[in-house]
Amino acid sequence: EAGVAQSPRYKIIEKRQSVAFWCNPISGHATLYWYQQILGQGPKLLIQFQNNGVVDDSQLPKDRFSAERLKGVDSTLKIQPAKLEDSAVYLCADHRETEAFFGQGTRLTVV
Amino acid sequence: KQEVTQIPAALSVPEGENLVLNCSFTDSAIYNLQWFRQDPGKGLTSLLLIQSSQREQTSGRLNASLDKSSGRSTLYIAASQPGDSATYLCAVPIDNAGNNRKLIWGLGTSLAVNP
Repeated sequence: EAGVAQSPRYKIIEKRQSVAFWCNPISGHATLYWYQQILGQGPKLLIQFQNNGVVDDSQLPKDRFSAERLKGVDSTLKIQPAKLEDSAVYLCADHRETEAFFGQGTRLTVV
Repeated sequence: KQEVTQIPAALSVPEGENLVLNCSFTDSAIYNLQWFRQDPGKGLTSLLLIQSSQREQTSGRLNASLDKSSGRSTLYIAASQPGDSATYLCAVPIDNAGNNRKLIWGLGTSLAVNP
């Protein structure tokens, strides 16, 4: 089966600009996760979807971050406006039962 | 509350050495434990998944063991190569809302294998 696809791979923006990331999970996997990983730290869960519905967004900074999952398949994560501290790798993952599969990530640099 | 700890935080070894990375977890009631590899600025690649009923899993030069009673897992890398240089993370799933699960992560071990 194909893996989790993410785009873009890299993005550099200025602070206060907007940015969006896209994720296409493995076909048939209902659960999708977005993580933020700051350099030197473990991944931090931002939001978890089950099909179209949000299961957990307790650590999502909702004043600037938003995410949606279209028809229970693709998902987008948006930051508006970006801050310097948003510089990180943004990872999309899905799970089959309890095994996690990750995309290649999007490396965001905010300058 | 499940917490995951990895030691050492960083490791530098000469090529060819056998090495052991450690992962500890506080709640032994786990479904499984998963080891990942991460190259700088990149995504995560799953290396090995050990189910709670298993004691070890092997893939090539990698061997992961699990001791639930002591809350520990080790990742053994045989005959290390410069291409093994990366950060290695372990994670365990916990129950989340709506019969879903989420992963609890260690901070990783940054490995450098020197030629």
